[in-house]
This record gives sequence, structure tokens and C-alpha cells, in this order.
Amino acid sequence: RKEVEQDPGPFNVPEGATVAFNCTYSNSASQSFFWYRQDCRKEPKLLMSVYSSGNEDGRFTAQLNRASQYISLLIRDSKLSDSATYLCVVNSDAGNMLTFGGGTRLMVKP
Amino acid sequence: GAVVSQHPSRVICKSGTSVKIECRSLDFQATTMFWYRQFPKKSLMLMATSNEGSKATYEQGVEKDKFLINHASLTLSTLTVTSAHPEDSSFYICSAREVAGGPWRDTQYFGPGTRLTVL
Repeated sequence: RKEVEQDPGPFNVPEGATVAFNCTYSNSASQSFFWYRQDCRKEPKLLMSVYSSGNEDGRFTAQLNRASQYISLLIRDSKLSDSATYLCVVNSDAGNMLTFGGGTRLMVKP
Repeated sequence: GAVVSQHPSRVICKSGTSVKIECRSLDFQATTMFWYRQFPKKSLMLMATSNEGSKATYEQGVEKDKFLINHASLTLSTLTVTSAHPEDSSFYICSAREVAGGPWRDTQYFGPGTRLTVL
């Protein structure tokens, strides 16, 4: 079983749609969780950290369920510019080693 | 956010040559940097953890004699791919860890990546 698993997609949605991604992690000792966005042939960029209480940043909402060991990302009112691969990232090590999920590809269409 | 640079951004070399990639943290000091490799349509795979002033820690399956890492200062780590072969062609990305009051609160910032093509 992979440490961090994501549905690879692609998710094809129309502009304005709401889309949600889930991610599961296997290490119950994991402490920090993130969503990164990666555009084609570019480096990953931090989208948002995921806190236990859930957090929202504009159109993006992240949730953490420690009991079930999954993380979610909700994108509301999708924009064309949201098209990218979204990487679920888990920090299971105080040495800050990040473990990446395989990524979920999102394509927002006009 | 903090800025991490990589140089070169793209390199094409002949099989058997060595290629050095630099990773710099531009506005913060990074005691720890990480080197990742990403194959097309795949996620990032950690290759090694680079620690300033000490030896790098390599992940299982990564040859330390082939991928030489030097973390010479708090702002610079280098990855040298020795005797490169076509199967080493990949996207190499570094990240630097900005210390922010505790290991669980630290943030990693990624460099823009280096695309290596070995002919």
C-alpha cells in the first residue's frame, strides 16, 4: 500500500463547478498535511496547509479526518486557471521529510 | 514566500558525462535541503536529504556514488549526476526547509526544477 494515495483523475469539470479531491495516508503518526499544486513541467507550489480544524482560503477548503486518515480539498467556482495537478503531501517525520501522493489532475473546461 | 533557485533550468548532455545542479535558498538559511526526481506523469520521489556540514542521507535504491550531494553552505546544495545515462533523464527538483519554530511547523519551498536530458 502506498503511503499517500490519491485518485489520479483526470477530473474534467466545467467552469464554475465545485470539485473535491480526497487523499488517504497510511502513517497514523503523520503530523502535517499539505496540498500542493503543480502545473505542467513546473515545480510544486504550496496551495495550503491542512489543519485539524479544517481551513479555508478563498475558494479552497481543506479538511483533515485523522480517525479515517484522509484529507480533502474542495474547490468552489472552478476557474480555467485551476487546471493543474494537485498533490497531497504528508509530513510523517519531524525531520520534515515530505511524502507525496501521486497527484490528482484537474482540467477545468469553458 | 521564500525563494529557492536552481541552476541550470535545463541541461542536455552526452552519456557518460557528469552534470552538476545547484540549489540555492535566496532569502533564508536552510540547514536541510531535499532532492527529488520526477518522471513524466509521476509524482515526486525523494532521492536524498542534504544536511549542511554533514553527509547526505539517501533513500533506498538511490546510489550515493552516482548522485553526489554537497551541502557546502547554509544557502547552497549541489547534486552531481555522475556518468549520466539516458535513464537518468528526468526532472530534478530541490527544496529547502525554512525553520519556523519547530520541525512540524517548518515549510519547504521548492526550486523551479532542472530538466536533464541525457543523449
